Amino acid sequence: NAGVTQTPKFRVLKTGQSMTLLCAQDMNHEYMYWYRQDPGMGLRLIHYSVGEGTTAKGEVPDGYNVSRLKKQNFLLGLESAAPSQTSVYFCASSYLGGRVEQFFGPGTRLTVL
Amino acid sequence: GESVGLHLPTLSVQEGDNSIINCAYSNSASDYFIWYKQESGKGPQFIIDIRSNMDKRQGQRVTVLLNKTVKHLSLQIAATQPGDSAVYFCAENEDYKLSFGAGTTVTVRA
Repeated sequence: NAGVTQTPKFRVLKTGQSMTLLCAQDMNHEYMYWYRQDPGMGLRLIHYSVGEGTTAKGEVPDGYNVSRLKKQNFLLGLESAAPSQTSVYFCASSYLGGRVEQFFGPGTRLTVL
Repeated sequence: GESVGLHLPTLSVQEGDNSIINCAYSNSASDYFIWYKQESGKGPQFIIDIRSNMDKRQGQRVTVLLNKTVKHLSLQIAATQPGDSAVYFCAENEDYKLSFGAGTTVTVRA
C-alpha cells in the first residue's frame, strides 16, 4: 500500500494564479484532511471531509476550496494564490475521525511570489 | 476553540539520556490524545496515542502519561538516539478532528 500520496511535491506560483493539490489514499478511509504548516507553528486545519461527497471548513479555510468526488481522493484548490498562502500543505486520512491515528502524506511545498 | 500547546519549543538532550516532552491541553471534553514525530522535510508520523480512560501507555522506547486532573500530557523517550532528533507534536481530538500544538524541537547531542 502506498498510504497517503500528494502531488505535486513542490510548486511555485505567481500571485493570482490558481492550482489544485491532489491527495490520494488507498486505505479506504472515510475521513480526509488538509492542513497547512508554517514555520514555528503546528498544523492548522484548512478543510476536511467525513466521507465521499462531503466537505467542511476547518480553522483556516479562507482562500481555499476542496472537493471529495471519490472516496480515495481529496482535492485542495487555490483560486487566486496570495503570498500568505506560501506554506507546506499536508493531507491526512483516518478511518474513524478524531479518535484514531491520522495518516499523513509527505507534503507539498508551495511558494507564492 | 481551545487548543493544545507544548511547554517548551526546544529541547536539547544528550544521546543515551531519557527525554521528556510536555504538553498542556485545555479542553476537558477531549478523550483522545496522540503524539507525532516529524523529521525534516517529511510528514508527521504516529508515535503513540492514549485515551482518557488510561493514565499511561507504553510503546517501544516511548511512554505517554496523561494527567487529567491538571490537563497535562507527556511523552517520555528512553535512551534517546540521534534518530530521535525531530519535531514532536501532541494533539487532542475535537469531534472528527485533531487539534495540534506548536511542537517541540528535540536535538540529540552526541
